[in-house]
Amino acid sequence: EVQLVESGGGLVKPGGSLRVSCAASGFTFSGYTMNWVRQAPGKGLEWVSSITSSSSYMYYADSVKGRFTISRDNAKNSLFLQMNSLRVEDTAVYYCARGAGDYDYWGQGTLVTVSS
Amino acid sequence: QSVLTQPPSVSAAPGQKVTISCSGSSSTIGNNYICWYQQLPGTAPKLLIYGNDKRPSGIPDRFSGSKSGTSATLGITGLQTGDEADYYCGTWDSSLTGAVFGGGTKLTVL
Repeated sequence: EVQLVESGGGLVKPGGSLRVSCAASGFTFSGYTMNWVRQAPGKGLEWVSSITSSSSYMYYADSVKGRFTISRDNAKNSLFLQMNSLRVEDTAVYYCARGAGDYDYWGQGTLVTVSS
Repeated sequence: QSVLTQPPSVSAAPGQKVTISCSGSSSTIGNNYICWYQQLPGTAPKLLIYGNDKRPSGIPDRFSGSKSGTSATLGITGLQTGDEADYYCGTWDSSLTGAVFGGGTKLTVL
């Protein structure tokens, strides 16, 4: 059974940093592009970042470019999102999702709250 | 303002049919596959349609997708109260080099 489990969310002050993680199981993690998608409270889905299977290519939304870094550890079946210079508007549930183009499996999400 | 445009809400009675539109451009829907997601209240999104019109295993054939030019449509027949959810279209934007989603459509089954 495919499982994606996010962790690392929490409360952080504006300007602070946080690293969220996604633990994958039930499939060959190293064979898939992985993604982060976020959803602000009461709002729609916003794509954040994608990383190809061997980390050859990373893509970022303009809203996070230069502040967020996506990475992965295929040996540990894990996906990461390092978030620096956090802003109030980064407050959201962060989901990891599998796939290139269409996201066929999603985690349950981890809540990141940026507030003073 | 989302790159893909969806109606904010649609509604229909149980047993009826509803369609949800998604409008984009040549750099989004026009030259890339479209997919659709269902998000039930308090849960993560779930893939409903991929590759414009294909259903993942386990998705009933009440759900269908189509694409024409720079627009796409999700159809749901035989509406059930359990279909009440937010529905999102998604695709790749070749000009932005990133994924994009519609703003979402809230389906109410009256």
